[in-house]
Amino acid sequence: GAVVSQHPSRVICKSGTSVKIECRSLDFQATTMFWYRQFPKKSLMLMATSNEGSKATYEQGVEKDKFLINHASLTLSTLTVTSAHPEDSSFYICSARDQREFNEQFFGPGTRLTVL
Amino acid sequence: GQNIDQPTEMTATEGAIVQINCTYQTSGFNGLFWYQQHAGEAPTFLSYNVLDGLEEKGRFSSFLSRSKGYSYLLLKELQMKDSASYLCAFMDSNYQLIWGAGTKLIIKP
Repeated sequence: GAVVSQHPSRVICKSGTSVKIECRSLDFQATTMFWYRQFPKKSLMLMATSNEGSKATYEQGVEKDKFLINHASLTLSTLTVTSAHPEDSSFYICSARDQREFNEQFFGPGTRLTVL
Repeated sequence: GQNIDQPTEMTATEGAIVQINCTYQTSGFNGLFWYQQHAGEAPTFLSYNVLDGLEEKGRFSSFLSRSKGYSYLLLKELQMKDSASYLCAFMDSNYQLIWGAGTKLIIKP
């Protein structure tokens, strides 16, 4: 099956710093990648949809200047949390849509971000 | 509008059968997904239904009724490792997944 990797799996940073999370589709090309965040015991919340070579589409309430998304190639999308604050601490998960399997999304393992 | 609903928590016994229901409302529909998510991990794909009926895959089966806006996930011969959250999601007319809040399934010996 299709594999999506995420790096890092865990990150602890100080308040005010920026953190970059990478999402890669390892064995397929993903024209579309999705970024989610999930708080404990809550469902997935879609933050933005990222299409290769174009600007990301952000969901209502998500600050695009704070959560920078770049989808530079068909296998890589990055999420940068700028000037992180403790309330940004969460589980961030990316998923990728396989061009050939249009209706299925494959999830990365997630990144646990803790901002001190 | 769009909405999707599933029970918050269910408890079942090892070896038994459990059915997790999911109801949804949407004007555009491109299929219903079920995912399993263990605590601290990302969701993993279980099933996809786009036509009415039952799809069976080993111990897990998923059912869809589009006219009723209803789906269920059936888990047979429950094992302790099946303790997890089960997320249902439908794909809307823009091919975007709309997620339920998840059902936490607790398996007791």
